[in-house]
Amino acid sequence: RKEVEQDPGPFNVPEGATVAFNCTYSNSASQSFFWYRQDCRKEPKLLMSVYSSGNEDGRFTAQLNRASQYISLLIRDSKLSDSATYLCVVYLSGGYNKLIFGAGTRLAVHP
Amino acid sequence: GAGVSQSPSNKVTEKGKDVELRCDPISGHTALYWYRQSLGQGLEFLIYFQGNSAPDKSGLPSDRFSAERTGGSVSTLTIQRTQQEDSAVYLCASSLQTGGETQYFGPGTRLLVL
Repeated sequence: RKEVEQDPGPFNVPEGATVAFNCTYSNSASQSFFWYRQDCRKEPKLLMSVYSSGNEDGRFTAQLNRASQYISLLIRDSKLSDSATYLCVVYLSGGYNKLIFGAGTRLAVHP
Repeated sequence: GAGVSQSPSNKVTEKGKDVELRCDPISGHTALYWYRQSLGQGLEFLIYFQGNSAPDKSGLPSDRFSAERTGGSVSTLTIQRTQQEDSAVYLCASSLQTGGETQYFGPGTRLLVL
Protein backbone atom coordinates (compact mmCIF):
# COMPACT_ATOMS: atom_id res chain seq x y z
CA ARG A 1 0.00 0.00 0.00
CA LYS A 2 1.32 3.46 -0.90
CA GLU A 3 1.98 5.80 1.98
CA VAL A 4 -0.03 8.58 0.33
CA GLU A 5 -2.79 7.67 -2.09
CA GLN A 6 -4.62 9.90 -4.52
CA ASP A 7 -7.01 9.40 -7.38
CA PRO A 8 -4.84 10.11 -10.45
CA GLY A 9 -7.74 11.60 -12.41
CA PRO A 10 -7.83 13.35 -14.75
CA PHE A 11 -10.65 15.53 -13.55
CA ASN A 12 -12.03 17.40 -16.56
CA VAL A 13 -14.22 20.30 -15.44
CA PRO A 14 -15.61 23.46 -17.06
CA GLU A 15 -14.59 26.90 -15.93
CA GLY A 16 -16.51 27.97 -12.87
CA ALA A 17 -17.01 24.46 -11.57
CA THR A 18 -16.26 23.31 -8.06
CA VAL A 19 -13.97 20.30 -7.81
CA ALA A 20 -12.73 18.28 -4.84
CA PHE A 21 -9.68 16.05 -4.49
CA ASN A 22 -9.18 13.48 -1.79
CA CYS A 23 -6.09 11.89 -0.35
CA THR A 24 -5.46 9.22 2.26
CA TYR A 25 -2.25 8.53 4.16
CA SER A 26 -1.19 5.39 5.93
CA ASN A 27 1.20 6.55 8.64
CA SER A 28 -0.63 7.83 11.71
CA ALA A 29 2.60 9.51 12.85
CA SER A 30 2.31 11.99 9.99
CA GLN A 31 2.68 15.40 11.49
CA SER A 32 2.14 18.04 8.84
CA PHE A 33 0.17 18.12 5.65
CA PHE A 34 0.36 20.10 2.45
CA TRP A 35 -1.00 20.45 -1.04
CA TYR A 36 1.58 21.17 -3.73
CA ARG A 37 0.82 22.09 -7.31
CA GLN A 38 2.87 20.89 -10.26
CA ASP A 39 2.43 22.31 -13.74
CA CYS A 40 3.39 20.23 -16.75
CA ARG A 41 7.17 19.81 -16.97
CA LYS A 42 7.69 22.16 -14.02
CA GLU A 43 8.76 21.67 -10.45
CA PRO A 44 6.25 21.30 -7.58
CA LYS A 45 5.33 24.43 -5.67
CA LEU A 46 3.56 24.74 -2.35
CA LEU A 47 -0.12 25.57 -2.77
CA MET A 48 -1.14 25.54 0.88
CA SER A 49 -0.59 23.87 4.21
CA VAL A 50 -3.44 21.88 5.74
CA TYR A 51 -4.44 22.52 9.33
CA SER A 52 -6.56 20.37 11.61
CA SER A 53 -9.28 22.98 11.81
CA GLY A 54 -9.42 23.34 8.06
CA ASN A 55 -8.20 26.40 6.22
CA GLU A 56 -9.10 28.51 3.26
CA ASP A 57 -7.04 30.55 0.84
CA GLY A 58 -9.21 32.37 -1.63
CA ARG A 59 -10.93 29.80 -3.80
CA PHE A 60 -9.06 26.92 -2.19
CA THR A 61 -10.18 25.10 0.96
CA ALA A 62 -8.22 22.32 2.63
CA GLN A 63 -9.52 19.89 5.23
CA LEU A 64 -7.82 17.30 7.42
CA ASN A 65 -9.41 14.37 9.22
CA ARG A 66 -6.76 12.77 11.43
CA ALA A 67 -9.06 10.02 12.66
CA SER A 68 -9.72 8.84 9.12
CA GLN A 69 -6.24 9.84 7.87
CA TYR A 70 -7.86 11.77 5.08
CA ILE A 71 -7.06 15.12 3.45
CA SER A 72 -9.11 17.04 0.94
CA LEU A 73 -8.75 20.04 -1.34
CA LEU A 74 -11.73 21.96 -2.68
CA ILE A 75 -11.39 24.41 -5.55
CA ARG A 76 -14.28 26.74 -6.18
CA ASP A 77 -14.95 28.73 -9.34
CA SER A 78 -12.28 26.86 -11.32
CA LYS A 79 -10.10 28.88 -13.68
CA LEU A 80 -8.25 27.70 -16.76
CA SER A 81 -5.05 28.50 -14.90
CA ASP A 82 -5.92 25.93 -12.22
CA SER A 83 -5.12 23.16 -14.70
CA ALA A 84 -2.23 21.27 -13.13
CA THR A 85 -1.41 18.22 -11.06
CA TYR A 86 -2.17 18.54 -7.36
CA LEU A 87 0.12 16.63 -5.03
CA CYS A 88 -0.95 15.58 -1.56
CA VAL A 89 2.05 15.67 0.77
CA VAL A 90 2.59 14.51 4.35
CA TYR A 91 5.54 15.21 6.60
CA LEU A 92 6.92 12.46 8.80
CA SER A 93 8.92 13.62 11.79
CA GLY A 94 10.40 11.50 14.57
CA GLY A 95 13.61 10.62 12.84
CA TYR A 96 12.19 10.41 9.36
CA ASN A 97 12.08 14.15 8.68
CA LYS A 98 10.91 13.84 5.13
CA LEU A 99 8.01 14.76 2.93
CA ILE A 100 6.08 11.90 1.36
CA PHE A 101 4.42 12.83 -1.91
CA GLY A 102 1.34 11.32 -3.44
CA ALA A 103 1.45 10.61 -7.17
CA GLY A 104 -0.89 13.53 -7.79
CA THR A 105 -4.33 14.22 -9.18
CA ARG A 106 -4.50 15.81 -12.58
CA LEU A 107 -6.99 18.62 -13.15
CA ALA A 108 -7.93 19.97 -16.56
CA VAL A 109 -10.21 23.01 -16.63
CA HIS A 110 -11.78 23.71 -20.02
CA PRO A 111 -13.62 26.77 -21.39
CA GLY B 1 16.08 36.45 -4.31
CA ALA B 2 17.60 33.52 -6.14
CA GLY B 3 15.80 30.23 -5.89
CA VAL B 4 17.16 26.71 -6.09
CA SER B 5 19.19 26.18 -9.23
CA GLN B 6 20.14 22.91 -10.87
CA SER B 7 22.46 22.01 -13.69
CA PRO B 8 22.44 20.77 -16.30
CA SER B 9 18.78 21.27 -17.19
CA ASN B 10 18.95 18.34 -19.59
CA LYS B 11 21.41 15.47 -19.86
CA VAL B 12 21.53 12.72 -22.45
CA THR B 13 24.01 9.95 -21.80
CA GLU B 14 24.80 6.46 -22.94
CA LYS B 15 24.12 3.41 -20.82
CA GLY B 16 27.09 2.64 -18.62
CA LYS B 17 28.39 6.19 -18.37
CA ASP B 18 28.59 8.14 -15.11
CA VAL B 19 26.69 11.41 -14.66
CA GLU B 20 26.88 14.22 -12.11
CA LEU B 21 23.94 16.46 -11.33
CA ARG B 22 24.39 19.67 -9.41
CA CYS B 23 22.12 21.55 -7.03
CA ASP B 24 22.65 25.00 -5.59
CA PRO B 25 20.15 25.58 -2.77
CA ILE B 26 18.72 28.84 -1.53
CA SER B 27 21.30 30.68 0.54
CA GLY B 28 20.87 29.99 4.24
CA HIS B 29 18.81 26.84 3.80
CA THR B 30 20.31 24.08 5.90
CA ALA B 31 18.22 21.21 4.56
CA LEU B 32 18.65 19.86 1.02
CA TYR B 33 16.73 17.04 -0.61
CA TRP B 34 17.03 15.04 -3.80
CA TYR B 35 14.01 13.43 -5.45
CA ARG B 36 13.42 11.51 -8.64
CA GLN B 37 10.28 11.73 -10.76
CA SER B 38 9.70 9.30 -13.57
CA LEU B 39 7.28 10.17 -16.37
CA GLY B 40 3.74 10.35 -15.02
CA GLN B 41 4.81 9.25 -11.55
CA GLY B 42 5.04 10.85 -8.15
CA LEU B 43 8.19 12.10 -6.47
CA GLU B 44 10.51 9.45 -5.09
CA PHE B 45 12.68 10.54 -2.17
CA LEU B 46 16.37 9.78 -2.67
CA ILE B 47 18.50 11.48 -0.01
CA TYR B 48 18.53 14.46 2.31
CA PHE B 49 21.16 16.53 4.04
CA GLN B 50 20.65 18.54 7.21
CA GLY B 51 23.48 20.80 8.26
CA ASN B 52 26.53 18.81 9.28
CA SER B 53 24.58 15.68 10.22
CA ALA B 54 25.07 12.41 8.39
CA PRO B 55 22.77 12.34 5.37
CA ASP B 56 19.68 10.17 5.23
CA LYS B 57 20.42 7.90 2.30
CA SER B 58 17.47 5.61 2.81
CA GLY B 59 15.89 6.42 -0.53
CA LEU B 60 18.83 5.74 -2.80
CA PRO B 61 17.75 2.91 -5.13
CA SER B 62 21.15 1.26 -5.49
CA ASP B 63 24.82 1.69 -4.67
CA ARG B 64 25.30 3.27 -8.09
CA PHE B 65 23.74 6.40 -6.61
CA SER B 66 25.64 8.69 -4.27
CA ALA B 67 25.48 12.31 -3.24
CA GLU B 68 27.57 14.77 -1.36
CA ARG B 69 27.13 18.25 -0.07
CA THR B 70 30.22 20.34 0.24
CA GLY B 71 30.49 23.17 2.71
CA GLY B 72 26.85 22.82 3.63
CA SER B 73 25.77 24.39 0.36
CA VAL B 74 26.11 22.94 -3.14
CA SER B 75 25.22 19.29 -3.61
CA THR B 76 26.16 16.82 -6.32
CA LEU B 77 24.21 13.67 -7.11
CA THR B 78 26.30 11.07 -8.93
CA ILE B 79 24.93 8.11 -10.82
CA GLN B 80 27.52 5.56 -11.85
CA ARG B 81 27.13 3.10 -14.72
CA THR B 82 23.79 4.58 -15.73
CA GLN B 83 20.96 2.31 -16.80
CA GLN B 84 17.95 3.11 -18.95
CA GLU B 85 15.66 2.88 -15.93
CA ASP B 86 17.58 5.82 -14.41
CA SER B 87 15.93 8.09 -16.99
CA ALA B 88 13.82 10.57 -15.03
CA VAL B 89 13.68 14.14 -13.79
CA TYR B 90 15.93 14.65 -10.79
CA LEU B 91 14.64 17.38 -8.53
CA CYS B 92 16.47 19.12 -5.74
CA ALA B 93 14.73 21.03 -2.97
CA SER B 94 15.88 23.03 0.00
CA SER B 95 14.23 24.29 3.15
CA LEU B 96 15.28 26.58 5.93
CA GLN B 97 15.55 23.59 8.26
CA THR B 98 13.85 20.25 8.62
CA GLY B 99 10.62 20.26 10.54
CA GLY B 100 7.91 20.23 7.94
CA GLU B 101 8.58 23.65 6.51
CA THR B 102 8.03 24.48 2.90
CA GLN B 103 10.46 22.90 0.50
CA TYR B 104 11.49 24.99 -2.48
CA PHE B 105 12.23 23.02 -5.61
CA GLY B 106 14.69 23.64 -8.37
CA PRO B 107 13.64 23.25 -12.02
CA GLY B 108 15.11 19.76 -12.18
CA THR B 109 17.52 17.92 -14.44
CA ARG B 110 15.96 15.77 -17.12
CA LEU B 111 18.15 12.72 -17.56
CA LEU B 112 17.81 10.44 -20.56
CA VAL B 113 19.89 7.29 -20.69
CA LEU B 114 20.08 5.77 -24.15
